[in-house]
This record gives sequence, C-alpha cells and structure tokens, in this order.
Amino acid sequence: QVQLVQSGAEVKKPGSSVKVSCKASGGTFSRRAISWVRQAPGQGLEWMGGIIPVFGTTNYAQKFQGRVRITADESTSTAYMELSSLRSDDTAVYYCARGHSSGYNWFDPWGQGTLVTVSS
Amino acid sequence: EIVMTQSPATLSVSPGERATLSCRASQSLSSNLAWYQQKPGQAPRLLIYGASTRATGIPARFSGSGSGTEFTLTVSSLQSEDFAVYYCQQYSNWPLTFGGGTKVEIK
Repeated sequence: QVQLVQSGAEVKKPGSSVKVSCKASGGTFSRRAISWVRQAPGQGLEWMGGIIPVFGTTNYAQKFQGRVRITADESTSTAYMELSSLRSDDTAVYYCARGHSSGYNWFDPWGQGTLVTVSS
Repeated sequence: EIVMTQSPATLSVSPGERATLSCRASQSLSSNLAWYQQKPGQAPRLLIYGASTRATGIPARFSGSGSGTEFTLTVSSLQSEDFAVYYCQQYSNWPLTFGGGTKVEIK
C-alpha cells in the first residue's frame, strides 16, 4: 500500500519561496498523477496542480500559474512543490495526493500535510 | 471553473441516525465526483469515487448517489467516528475543484 510522506513545517518571510517534498513508498509512483492541494486555516480544499512523473507533464490551476512549480524525481519517488512570491494568505497546510491513474481524478492516498506559515 | 456547492454547511445529527449531505455542480459532471472525510488535524480520506463506488475499506454505511449536477452522500447510521467534515470534489474538468464542505456534528 503506497504511503506519501511529506517534509516538515516551514516558516517563511513574505516574498520568499518554499519547496515542499512528498516521498512515495510501497507502491506505484511514476505512472500516477501526484497533485498538490492546500487548505488555509479553517478553510476548504484547493487544488493547485499536479504532475505525472513518468511523462514529466504538469498541470496547474490558473490561480497559481507563474508562481508554482511542481517537479518529480523518479529515482527517489519524490515529488516537489515550490511556491514563490509568498504572501500571508499562502499560509496553509499543503498536501500531496496521488491520483488513481495517469489522469487527474480522485485522490488516494494523501500525505500527512505540511504547514507553511508566511509571516514577517 | 466548475463551482461545487455543498449543503448544509453544518448538519447536527444524533448517533445512530441517518445523515444526508448534498453536493451540487455548476455544470454536468456525469459521474466524475468523489467524497472525502476529514477529521481535525488529519488529511482528507477518500470515501467514494465515481459518485457511488466505495473506496477500499470504507464501511457499507457510507453510500453515494447522483449524476450530472446533483449528488448525495448518505451515512445510514452515524457512528461516533463519523463526526467530521465532508467534502465533494469534481474531476470532470480542470481545474479540479472541491465543495466548501459540510460539518457533521453531534446533536
């Protein structure tokens, strides 16, 4: 059964960047889409974008275009999400989640989440 | 962008009772809809995909129905561990979008 383990919490200054990792173990990595979903404090879920590691193709929500970069390293079964030009409203828990197939559909499993706090 | 609207925002139910949660899409999804459960401090957990197929390990008291723009998640007899927030998510079109959630609380 695949598990996704994310990197630890981060505190960043406004205007800086953050890079969060998501390592898969125990199952298929390369051929399944990995998405990033964030959740601001007390708020709902927001899909940011994703990658299909075997193809290296990415898709981003328009809201984050130009500010987010999602990459993957097949050799370590790790996906990354880098968000730049951070603002206070980027404070959120960031989750990685695997899709059912090489497309973007439902998410299972999810990583444990990484809290990113943006504060001066 | 497809807008997902969940109702009610909060549902107060007694243990053992039935809970019915609604999710409406701004355009037709066919059956491209999933449901998740989220407890405080935890990642969401997949319950239902394809509008009505239970994910692996999900108890039979959870059921999903609907197609097109109207969907329902039903919990037939609420157990203590079912009190949580529930989200629907469409995967018919990009960007993938979620509903705002329904909090199921103890009455």
